[in-house]
Amino acid sequence: NAGVTQTPKFQVLKTGQSMTLQCAQDMNHNSMYWYRQDPGMGLRLIYYSASEGTTDKGEVPNGYNVSRLNKREFSLRLESAAPSQTSVYFCASILAGGTGTGELFFGEGSRLTVL
Amino acid sequence: KQEVTQIPAALSVPEGENLVLNCSFTDSAIYNLQWFRQDPGKGLTSLLLIQSSQREQTSGRLNASLDKSSGRSTLYIAASQPGDSATYLCAVKGTYKYIFGTGTRLKVLA
Repeated sequence: NAGVTQTPKFQVLKTGQSMTLQCAQDMNHNSMYWYRQDPGMGLRLIYYSASEGTTDKGEVPNGYNVSRLNKREFSLRLESAAPSQTSVYFCASILAGGTGTGELFFGEGSRLTVL
Repeated sequence: KQEVTQIPAALSVPEGENLVLNCSFTDSAIYNLQWFRQDPGKGLTSLLLIQSSQREQTSGRLNASLDKSSGRSTLYIAASQPGDSATYLCAVKGTYKYIFGTGTRLKVLA
């Protein structure tokens, strides 16, 4: 069982470069999330997609864009990377509503360094 | 706006001790509360999920309780072991999203 898969696991960028973090889940979950984790700050929500076709801003959306490509995939794009975006990024998903428990499942994380 | 607080931020205990980690939240209108464990440099592992209609959940040496009215949850770890050393995070779910506390860093000394 793959669960939630993130790519790439590691990336080094120069300031101003762009990149996309990919996330896919195979659990037929309807809601997906992108978090960033920084030392002493816990996990902060960047964007989320409550269902296919919808996306909404979280606590720290500036500098990011997202695309819910289909029910399985939710990508996070940095258009012009800045050193402040150096962080560990986590994708997560849940099955919300109906028979879903709402339990949050995480990917292994993507470590991004912006020089 | 939901805010989640975990106290203490760090805790060091001798092996074998029973311990309690605390999580408090400001908005009692939650659907779920979930406890996670995170080892250094690793991802998050789900420990326990408590739905809003439940008061507690147990898994092995772990017991989590939820008091929505007071905005509190506790994670009880019985007979702690060095392998329990990790950061423990709680997260509460509102209508659409989970909000996390900053975690408690636990060290169990052999």
